[in-house]
Amino acid sequence: GENVEQHPSTLSVQEGDSAVIKCTYSDSASNYFPWYKQELGKGPQLIIDIRSNVGEKKDQRIAVTLNKTAKHFSLHITETQPEDSAVYFCAASIPNTGNQFYFGTGTSLTVIP
Amino acid sequence: IAGITQAPTSQILAAGRRMTLRCTQDMRHNAMYWYRQDLGLGLRLIHYSNTAGTTGKGEVPDGYSVSRANTDDFPLTLASAVPSQTSVYFCASSDLPPGEQFFGPGTRLTVL
Repeated sequence: GENVEQHPSTLSVQEGDSAVIKCTYSDSASNYFPWYKQELGKGPQLIIDIRSNVGEKKDQRIAVTLNKTAKHFSLHITETQPEDSAVYFCAASIPNTGNQFYFGTGTSLTVIP
Repeated sequence: IAGITQAPTSQILAAGRRMTLRCTQDMRHNAMYWYRQDLGLGLRLIHYSNTAGTTGKGEVPDGYSVSRANTDDFPLTLASAVPSQTSVYFCASSDLPPGEQFFGPGTRLTVL
């Protein structure tokens, strides 16, 4: 199966600075890469996703980049705000496996006001 | 629109007891999933169902069973709970793959 590694496990940034979280995957057949945000006591919620035919995708302050050759993808959050503080998970999905997601182990982001 | 509901919110269970975690979605999604979340290990897939009447094993299926009698419900059963099954359990659903999975609020289960 797929193996997704995520770094760092914890990240603290000053409000207004940028935050970057990186993930690598092992199976070159993976073609869908979502990022989820989980707030305390809640279920994960999708914030952005990217498919393997695209190299970069942006949505306001959030962007994701994908390097298929190196098998890694990254989440970029610019102009961070205290409400960005949460745990972020990356995931990878291999086609024809019933939309099974393989998740990274999570990054706890703290934005310091 | 409720999305996905899970019950109970939390439960403390004696080892050896049987327990069923409930999950219901109202989005008419064809696929549903059960994950467990443990500190430092992220979310791991237990079982999944691509459509009513079919189920499949995920990464950590041992000790768990599921059924999918209809589109909306996907219960997870622990036949004889053990302390290592202490975890937070999330149910999710999605439309045709690959695509966004919508997660429920979770069930916190403690097995003593």
